Order: sequence, then structure tokens, then C-alpha cells
Amino acid sequence: QLQLQESGPGLVKPSETLSLTCSVSGGSISSSGYYWGWIRLPPGKGLEWIGSLYYSGTTHYNPSLKSRVTISVDTSNNQFSLKLSSVTAADTAMYHCARHLWATALAPFDYWGQGTLVTVSS
Amino acid sequence: QSVLTQPPSVSAAPLQKVTISCSGSSSNIENNFVSWYQQLPGTAPKLLIYQDNKRLSGIPDRFSGSKSGTSATLAITGLQTGDEADYYCGTWDSSLNNVVFGGGTKLTVL
Repeated sequence: QLQLQESGPGLVKPSETLSLTCSVSGGSISSSGYYWGWIRLPPGKGLEWIGSLYYSGTTHYNPSLKSRVTISVDTSNNQFSLKLSSVTAADTAMYHCARHLWATALAPFDYWGQGTLVTVSS
Repeated sequence: QSVLTQPPSVSAAPLQKVTISCSGSSSNIENNFVSWYQQLPGTAPKLLIYQDNKRLSGIPDRFSGSKSGTSATLAITGLQTGDEADYYCGTWDSSLNNVVFGGGTKLTVL
């Protein structure tokens, strides 16, 4: 059974960089059939896609976040990571990593991590 | 605000049927596949429906999806108290080059 687990600091100061890692178990992130992504759920709002990548390193980002986002893959450790720079209170959210159902960023997400709450505050 | 529009809440009695609407435009719903997710309290979202009306393996046939023009609908029949959750629609927006979601609908089973 595929499992995804997010990890990283729960509190980040304004203007700093948010860094999260998604560890994948029960399957290989290098599998050719899937994209992997990050999604967040701000309090009181709807889901927001942050970006997605393929194990080869190809990435697709939400245009509204693109200037601040970097998503990268570490195939040797079966992980992928999110970095979001210059954070503000508006970046406070539950952050989920997830797998796309097939190898395109257009595909829905079929496996999700439980999520990690990140609060931006001084 | 969310690109896709959902009602904030819906409610119905056990064993009844409820529908949740998702309204968009020609750049998203009308020309791209729609998915539906269920998020039970304290858990991660779960994919129910993809490609407008296909149920993911293991999803009961009480859940069904449909689409017409720029709107999509999730229908749930034979409501159970365990169906109380937030439901989200999602799709690709070809103009924004972005995965987009609705704001979510809270289902209450009275």
C-alpha cells in the first residue's frame, strides 16, 4: 500500500523559506507512471495546488506561486520536497503531498499524505 | 476566491439523495475532466470520482459524477452519517495552466 508522509517545521517566520519533505513508502517515486505534487488547504478556504513534478525533474507550478516555489526530487531516498520562499501569513495552511493518478499534472490525486500544518508567524 | 464555485453547505436525511454542484467555465470544466474528493474530518482528501464519472476502485456506487457544459455534479444516494465530510471538485484550467479546485461543500446528514 502506497503511503506518503510530510515532514518539516510547523512554524515559519514571515519572509523566511518554508521547507517540507514528502517521504514515499510502498512504491517507488521513480516509477514511470506517475507525477507527484503538493497541495495546501488554508484555514477557511478551498484546496490550492502548489505544483507537481516527475521523477526526471520536470516540474509544473501554480502560476500564482511560481516565483516563490521550488519542488525537487530525491530518488535515492524516495522523497520529494517543497520550498516556498518569502512566506507571509497568507501561506499558513495544511500542506499535503500527493500522487497523481497517472503521468501528467492534469491527472487527479489518488494517494495523499495526512498533511502537516504550517503556521507563518513571528 | 476559488475558480470553481460550489455551495458552501448541503444537507439531507439518512438514506436520502443529495447533489453537490460545481460551476466553472469553458477553460476548465467544459473542456477538461472533473474529479471529486471527499475529506472526512481530520483526514486527508480521498479521490472518489475521476474523468467526470469514473469511480475509483473501492468507491461505492452510491457516489456518482456527471457533467454538462460548464457545470459538474456529484450525487450521493442512500446517505449515511459516515458520509458527513467536505467535498471538493477539481479540474485543469487550460487558460490559467493550473490545477483548480472548488471552495468545498460541507455535507451534513441530518
